[in-house]
Formats: sequence, C-alpha cells, structure tokens
Amino acid sequence: ETGVTQSPTHLIKTRGQQVTLRCSSQSGHNTVSWYQQALGQGPQFIFQYYREEENGRGNFPPRFSGLQFPNYSSELNVNALELDDSALYLCASSLDGGITDTQYFGPGTRLTVL
Amino acid sequence: QKEVEQNSGPLSVPEGAIASLNCTYSDRGSQSFFWYRQYSGKSPELIMFIYSNGDKEDGRFTAQLNKASQYVSLLIRDSQPSDSATYLCASSGGYQKVTFGTGTKLQVIP
Repeated sequence: ETGVTQSPTHLIKTRGQQVTLRCSSQSGHNTVSWYQQALGQGPQFIFQYYREEENGRGNFPPRFSGLQFPNYSSELNVNALELDDSALYLCASSLDGGITDTQYFGPGTRLTVL
Repeated sequence: QKEVEQNSGPLSVPEGAIASLNCTYSDRGSQSFFWYRQYSGKSPELIMFIYSNGDKEDGRFTAQLNKASQYVSLLIRDSQPSDSATYLCASSGGYQKVTFGTGTKLQVIP
C-alpha cells in the first residue's frame, strides 16, 4: 500500500455534467500530480500542485482544474464532461517534485461519461 | 514522436526465464527514469527507479540506463506468472511532470 487514497472508486456521469475527484496524499508529501489514463494507454499528466500552488500543467483544457489543501488532500474538478473524459484518474503524491523524487499512486477513480 | 516509447507487446516468456523490457526516450533533459508495474484495473506500482548510467539491481529486477543511447531497460530474472502485467516506463526531467510510455504487456507462461 502506498498510503495514497482516492474517492470515489467508480463514478458514472453524463455528458455536460461536472465532477470532483478527491485524493489524500501521504503525510509529508508536498506534491500531488494528477493523471488521466485511457484504456490501453499510459498515464497522461494533467497537472501538478506543490504546497497548494499549481506548478505544472499538461495538454489539458482549462475545464480541468484542481486544488490542493494544507491537510495533504487535493481535488480534480472537470467541468462540461465529454465522452472522451471516460478514463481512470490517478493521483500520485511525492515529496517535492524534484529530479530524484518518486511518485506513489493512489488506486484511482474510474470515471465513465455517458 | 512520442517522448517515451515502448513496444506494446505482448511479450511472452516461459516461467523461470528472463524477461527483457525496453524503453527509449526523446528528451535529453530527462534525468530520472522509473519502471512501474500495472495489473489490469489497478493503479501503477513502482518497481524501480534509476538516475545514473549503468545497472541497478533489486532482487529479481535489474534496471539499465544508457543516456547516450537514450535507452532504459528492465530485466526480470526467474519470471513468475505473478509478474504478468503491463510495465510502464516513465521519465522525468525534474519539476512539473513525469512522462509515461504506453506500457509493455508481459505474459509469463507457466
């Protein structure tokens, strides 16, 4: 076990709706990264937060947004859901996001958009 | 060109054999490399990381890094059926993001 938890485990939404996914990082880990993993693909980087500030973003539109809180929890919000948003969403916590930093993944949230 | 490339497989090896998984990367700024194992429907699990050229061994696993050739590999000795999974290679240049390959599916045949 990595000590990283995510909720909910599964979620079904319809196109156009909004969704909030939650992650609880390992205690002491100041960095959280969010990834989207479509079926048969590797995880795709969405964004990273360090000490409650966004410090990096992948090629995802602004309708993907996030928050990180002082208690090592974080959220991924997706507005105006599209069918292609159906995927496994993973959060990964790490100490400081540096070169030698190692990310530990949570179990993921499976999102299905109908 | 994808930043991290892996053969999608499946790679089939008999039980007890050595499985060799390969990965190339395009960003010369990448400085650290990771191998994750992912079982179907589960999240990635860290196996090994490597930062320096050469070999790094941990139990049945050996990671190899050649920065001049931009090549990373993972050897699994004495492969077991429980090793059957998708293996993800990832690179990091430091702050902001880790880039993953699409993964290689390994099948260990009893």
